[in-house]
Amino acid sequence: GAVVSQHPSWVICKSGTSVKIECRSLDFQATTMFWYRQFPKQSLMLMATSNEGSKATYEQGVEKDKFLINHASLTLSTLTVTSAHPEDSSFYICSAPKTSGGPEETQYFGPGTRLLVL
Amino acid sequence: AQSVTQLDSHVSVSEGTPVLLRCNYSSSYSPSLFWYVQHPNKGLQLLLKYTSAATLVKGINGFEAEFKKSETSFHLTKPSAHMSDAAEYFCVVSDPASYGKLTFGQGTILTVHP
Repeated sequence: GAVVSQHPSWVICKSGTSVKIECRSLDFQATTMFWYRQFPKQSLMLMATSNEGSKATYEQGVEKDKFLINHASLTLSTLTVTSAHPEDSSFYICSAPKTSGGPEETQYFGPGTRLLVL
Repeated sequence: AQSVTQLDSHVSVSEGTPVLLRCNYSSSYSPSLFWYVQHPNKGLQLLLKYTSAATLVKGINGFEAEFKKSETSFHLTKPSAHMSDAAEYFCVVSDPASYGKLTFGQGTILTVHP
């Protein structure tokens, strides 16, 4: 099946610093990618839709200036958590849809990045 | 608007017994529905999906789910649980009006006892 990777898999940073997380579709191109966050013992919440060549679309309540998204190519989207604070500690997951040639598509998820802000 | 409700936050079964994970959905459109599994420290894996074809959908690892429009349900079942099935399961609905956007249920943690 299709593969989506994330880097790093985990990161610890000091409060006030910025952290960049990469999401790559390894064997297919994705004009759209999605970023989710998952708090402990909670479900995934969609943060934003990353669009190749244009601005990301953020869900209500997500600060676009804090969570910068760049979809630089058809296989790479990055999420930068700026001026991170302890409340930003979470599990961040990306996904990319892959079509099989028809109208249906399947989302493939990355393994996630665990962020701990001290 | 669309939503997904997983009726059980935890399900515990013995190895070899049937598994039932319940999911109800709400959608203004004809939805696409999915079940994903998340093992500890691993990424989400697609178990199966319903996209308006057969209402009984067979997935990987012996799982299947039945789409019941009248009950707005998409319950996940497996005839005989295996220890390796222990994980967290998410019922997910796709919004056809917003390409690719998924709404996740709260998740059900499945525990399998020997």
